Amino acid sequence: GAGVSQSPRYKVAKRGQDVALRCDPISGHVSLFWYQQALGQGPEFLTYFQNEAQLDKSGLPSDRFFAERPEGSVSTLKIQRTQQEDSAVYLCASSSTFQVHRGGYTFGSGTRLTVV
Amino acid sequence: GENVEQHPSTLSVQEGDSAVIKCTYSDSASNYFPWYKQELGKGPQLIIDIRSNVGEKKDQRIAVTLNKTAKHFSLHITETQPEDSAVYFCAAAEFDSGGGADGLTFGKGTHLIIQP
Repeated sequence: GAGVSQSPRYKVAKRGQDVALRCDPISGHVSLFWYQQALGQGPEFLTYFQNEAQLDKSGLPSDRFFAERPEGSVSTLKIQRTQQEDSAVYLCASSSTFQVHRGGYTFGSGTRLTVV
Repeated sequence: GENVEQHPSTLSVQEGDSAVIKCTYSDSASNYFPWYKQELGKGPQLIIDIRSNVGEKKDQRIAVTLNKTAKHFSLHITETQPEDSAVYFCAAAEFDSGGGADGLTFGKGTHLIIQP
């Protein structure tokens, strides 16, 4: 597609519910990142994939957060037993090269998760 | 880890005037510094970036300067226009010789308001 597509755009979850957020990167992009953006804050790094390999998951806040990219294209961020502090916009970004700094990222519009 | 401070949090300028946003970083190993523009309901969009081997980069009305010794970098927007109104984020990252990427560390953002 023309850009990074994220779905759903909005998700309201009851506390304790599991959620799955989807990211469709630009076709052929090898690098994929997930970020969490709280209201009024900058994005914070969660995890990074190079093709299907998850090379860095140091930003995942707890073991309730899990990300996968099994075929090296679409990625899913799963949050188990959601809590109110998980409320945020979850951004996905992709890059066409391994050397991300050469191409920069293209961000999706994000999924706004609200836990009630 | 890296810590990026960004100032001011809000900046209001008259249309046609210049705007300057400043960031400092803590990790001297950081060598890549992008700036992103985020409009309401959208993901961040890369507007300009700079690597540590140069001190200044310009693209039409936008310029970025980098002072490695002082560990600070700035975004300069000249001849501001209403469409420049948005939230701007600075970020920093370290890339190794192979171009391997960790995630970006973002500042908290500056809400730029262009007064007509």
